Amino acid sequence: GENVEQHPSTLSVQEGDSAVIKCTYSDSASNYFPWYKQELGKGPQLIIDIRSNVGEKKDQRIAVTLNKTAKHFSLHITETQPEDSAVYFCAAINYGQNFVFGPGTRLSVLP
Amino acid sequence: GAVVSQHPSRVICKSGTSVKIECRSLDFQATTMFWYRQFPKQSLMLMATSNEGSKATYEQGVEKDKFLINHASLTLSTLTVTSAHPEDSSFYICSASIPSGGVAFFGQGTRLTVV
Repeated sequence: GENVEQHPSTLSVQEGDSAVIKCTYSDSASNYFPWYKQELGKGPQLIIDIRSNVGEKKDQRIAVTLNKTAKHFSLHITETQPEDSAVYFCAAINYGQNFVFGPGTRLSVLP
Repeated sequence: GAVVSQHPSRVICKSGTSVKIECRSLDFQATTMFWYRQFPKQSLMLMATSNEGSKATYEQGVEKDKFLINHASLTLSTLTVTSAHPEDSSFYICSASIPSGGVAFFGQGTRLTVV
């Protein structure tokens, strides 16, 4: 089955700097890769996603890149703000199968 | 994005009682909903997959008689924790997928405390 690794487990950046979180997956059949942001005591919120036929996707300060050959994808947050502080989860899915989540990255944006 | 509503957000119950958690997809029909459990500072652990009109599929190690799942309509799935014990205290989260495309949206989560 699919296995998703995520690094780093914790990340601290200064406000205004960029943050990068990386995930690797094992199942080459996976074709959908979402990223979720989870604030304390709340459910995960979808922030961006990418499908296997696309190499990069951007939405304002957030971007995701996918390298299918290497089986890894990354979340990039630019101009970080304190409200970006949260736990971020990546996931890899072969459509029709269950989501497999990474272990999460706790991002702290320091003012 | 689509909205998934989960209720209640917090519940405290006495040991031995049962608790029901509801998960509703508000603006789309979800043939499949998922129930997760999350321990502090850990990732989401899939408990079961809830299919409308049929029995739920439970992950290995999850007691189906303890965690009863009902998916009676295309917009509602319920998780009932039966004979709750303190070790059942956790954060429970549901999600629902848009049928075409696999995108999943999560509910707000339910913090269950069994005393």
